[in-house]
Amino acid sequence: KAGVTQTPRYLIKTRGQQVTLSCSPISGHRSVSWYQQTPGQGLQFLFEYFSETQRNKGNFPGRFSGRQFSNSRSEMNVSTLELGDSALYLCASSSGVGGQYFGPGTRLTVT
Amino acid sequence: DQQVKQNSPSLSVQEGRISILNCDYTNSMFDYFLWYKKYPAEGPTFLISISSIKDKNEDGRFTVFLNKSAKHLSLHIVPSQPGDSAVYFCAALPGYGGSQGNLIFGKGTKLSVKP
Repeated sequence: KAGVTQTPRYLIKTRGQQVTLSCSPISGHRSVSWYQQTPGQGLQFLFEYFSETQRNKGNFPGRFSGRQFSNSRSEMNVSTLELGDSALYLCASSSGVGGQYFGPGTRLTVT
Repeated sequence: DQQVKQNSPSLSVQEGRISILNCDYTNSMFDYFLWYKKYPAEGPTFLISISSIKDKNEDGRFTVFLNKSAKHLSLHIVPSQPGDSAVYFCAALPGYGGSQGNLIFGKGTKLSVKP
């Protein structure tokens, strides 16, 4: 079974721009979650999608949004980028049993 | 306000000995706990989990212990191997059986196993 894939792997953007990150879950997994990892805050939950609906949301501003498609693929969008948005963005999928399976992440650098 | 705390940012252990990684939590509503291992440039890999109805779960060299009264869990790796060198994250879920999407992570402990 192919693992969770994320594209792109690396991204450099300028303050004020917007960015869209993509995640393809493991086949059959309907839950997709997004996390932000920074050196200071560690891994923080952004949101979870299940069957195209946002099921849970973390404590992030409205500039962070996401969506899930009918094939369970998910995208995450960050608008009006700030320097503090520089981070590793991780996507994870789950079948609802056992742990979540993470992708390799997208390293976003905002300059 | 950190709900899941890993107070040791790093741990160094000799190959063949036991590694003990600790984790404390503050929210008594947490019902399910997981450990993840992360190598550089990779996403976290699920290792082992435990529900709050148990106090121990074992999988090969990995054992997780849960002390609910102390709101403390630990991961034991025996024997430790150099390939175990990685950052280990403790994570918690507010309820088992439902959504597993909103994990709350500790900040991680970097384990170094010396040959």
